[in-house]
Amino acid sequence: QQPVQSPQAVILREGEDAVINCSSSKALYSVHWYRQKHGEAPVFLMILLKGGEQKGHEKISASFNEKKQQSSLYLTASQLSYSGTYFCGTDNYGQNFVFGPGTRLSVLP
Amino acid sequence: EAQVTQNPRYLITVTGKKLTVTCSQNMNHEYMSWYRQDPGLGLRQIYYSMNVEVTDKGDVPEGYKVSRKEKRNFPLILESPSPNQTSLYFCASSFEPSGDGYTFGSGTRLTVV
Repeated sequence: QQPVQSPQAVILREGEDAVINCSSSKALYSVHWYRQKHGEAPVFLMILLKGGEQKGHEKISASFNEKKQQSSLYLTASQLSYSGTYFCGTDNYGQNFVFGPGTRLSVLP
Repeated sequence: EAQVTQNPRYLITVTGKKLTVTCSQNMNHEYMSWYRQDPGLGLRQIYYSMNVEVTDKGDVPEGYKVSRKEKRNFPLILESPSPNQTSLYFCASSFEPSGDGYTFGSGTRLTVV
C-alpha cells in the first residue's frame, strides 16, 4: 500500500526551512528518500533503517519513527537547487517496496 | 561510471505493436525493478527481480513481461501495447533495497497511439 506524503506541494523562499512527512499504514523496516528534478530520474538521498535513527546529507536530514510508522525529511536554509519533487519509499518487511506520490518543492529567489 | 542504462529514451508506437525497452546496469546489483510514473500517481512498480531467473509482479504488472537471463540486463516487454500504457518508465537497481538505495536509469518516455 502506497505511503502518504504531506504536504503535496510547498513553496519556499531561499533560506527558509521545510519539512516533508511520509507515513505508512504498515510496519516499516526502512524508509528511502529521493529527489527528482523535472525531466530527470529520481536521485537517492538517504535511507533510514528501523531504530529511530536520524541521518543528514548536507543541509538535508531525516528522521524515522518506526513506532509511528512515519518518517520526516528536513530541509534547512533551502537553496534554489533543492527544488524538485521529493519521494519517500517504504519497505514493509519483505513486501513490495513502494514509493509515495511525491511532494513538489519550489524554492524561489 | 556506475550507471543504469535504458534505451530508448523516447518511443512512439502504435497499438498492438510489440516493443522492448532495454535496461542494463554495470554495478553488479542483485536487485532490479521497473517503474512507471504518471502525473499524480508517483512511481508504481511493474515488476522486480531479486536475482537471475527470479522475477515477481509489482503493483501494476498487467500488460507487461520481463526476463532476467543475465545479472546486468532486465528488459521490459510490452507484447501488445495499448494507449493506457503511455507513460514515463524507469528502470532501477540496487544491491539490496532494504538496506541500499536505488540507482535509476534516465527513463523512457513511451507514447502509444
